[in-house]
Amino acid sequence: SQQGEEDPQALSIQEGENATMNCSYKTSINNLQWYRQNSGRGLVHLILIRSNEREKHSGRLRVTLDTSKKSSSLLITASRAADTASYFCATDAPDQTGANNLFFGTGTRLTVIP
Amino acid sequence: DAGVIQSPRHEVTEMGQEVTLRCKPISGHNSLFWYRQTMMRGLELLIYFNNNVPIDDSGMPEDRFSAKMPNASFSTLKIQPSEPRDSAVYFCASSLRPGNEQFFGPGTRLTVL
Repeated sequence: SQQGEEDPQALSIQEGENATMNCSYKTSINNLQWYRQNSGRGLVHLILIRSNEREKHSGRLRVTLDTSKKSSSLLITASRAADTASYFCATDAPDQTGANNLFFGTGTRLTVIP
Repeated sequence: DAGVIQSPRHEVTEMGQEVTLRCKPISGHNSLFWYRQTMMRGLELLIYFNNNVPIDDSGMPEDRFSAKMPNASFSTLKIQPSEPRDSAVYFCASSLRPGNEQFFGPGTRLTVL
């Protein structure tokens, strides 16, 4: 399966600390995306990094991609209680029909303690 | 744009009843996805459409599940007959094309008693 796996499954930190979540995947990708899901809500797209990029920033988010290791990391700096959510990586890769599709990982549950 | 619209937001039904979930994708998006999310199994892709045509339904659990997309602005996911193990949150998402950023609806929380 192409599905990514996030690590850790759950992370609890104090407000103001940085949070790092990792994603590993299995096959070649076109791009990798990170999503956030607040409890009871749909997923929301955060950031996309293309396979030829190594690092990307968006506000307090920093994403890295290492295609040789088939892994990515999401860093949230200066965390806030409002960052409490589940974070998913998603890889754009061919599915079993040969068409490109998005495969979601299992998610990291982040809790930021005020 | 109002985003992806799903209805109903909550559905409680009894085992054996037919359940129909509805989705209106974002206008102009060519791809539509149905997902199911539970604590035990996480987020599962059930089926997706591209230009109203089902492309991959390998995630549909069994014949009790069916999905249609009669036009570019509407899709349904039907469960008949429903079973307690179908209880989950069902999300619809749309994108310009597969592999692009997906926009999720608010979900339908289904409870089958």
